[in-house]
Amino acid sequence: KNEVEQSPQNLTAQEGEFITINCSYSVGISALHWLQQHPGGGIVSLFMLSSGKKKHGRLIATINIQEKHSSLHITASHPRDSAVYICAVSYDKVIFGPGTSLSVIP
Amino acid sequence: DGGITQSPKYLFRKEGQNVTLSCEQNLNHDAMYWYRQDPGQGLRLIYYSQIVNDFQKGDIAEGYSVSREKKESFPLTVTSAQKNPTAFYLCASSIWGYNEQFFGPGTRLTVL
Repeated sequence: KNEVEQSPQNLTAQEGEFITINCSYSVGISALHWLQQHPGGGIVSLFMLSSGKKKHGRLIATINIQEKHSSLHITASHPRDSAVYICAVSYDKVIFGPGTSLSVIP
Repeated sequence: DGGITQSPKYLFRKEGQNVTLSCEQNLNHDAMYWYRQDPGQGLRLIYYSQIVNDFQKGDIAEGYSVSREKKESFPLTVTSAQKNPTAFYLCASSIWGYNEQFFGPGTRLTVL
């Protein structure tokens, strides 16, 4: 069993829809990260959180430490949000999830 | 601008040849990392370095080698011993002991 799992694996949405990507993990962590990988391959860090909730623009990330679960929400989705979203957890090392491929259609 | 550069973006090599991937950062970060990404899998750690002239094996170090002669540079050599070298390679850096890593644009290596 992978230490970090994400669902769904692939997601297609219409522009304007509310999107949720889930991440579950099985180890004790010091922080959880949400990353965005663009089609060209570059990776950008979106959030690093260890408790509660963070918001940046149309993106919201939440974490439930007791349930070992995090969600990334995108409100009013746009085609430029199309990317792979990666969840990663850190303790004495960083473990990456397999990613969720999001396609937002106009 | 501060950041991480990797070159080249695309690299083709014949089987049996060693190839070196470049990674340079001007963020003044102590720690640097090399990851490999394969379709449908999470990034896997190849090597990391906390400080100049020191580096440690990651989870999949076999068939790879690195050096850290300068703080800014952490080149990765994919040797002929690496059985399946075709992949996307990402370099990252961070302040050591701090979890957030900054990534380069990646190099896509294809071995023919």
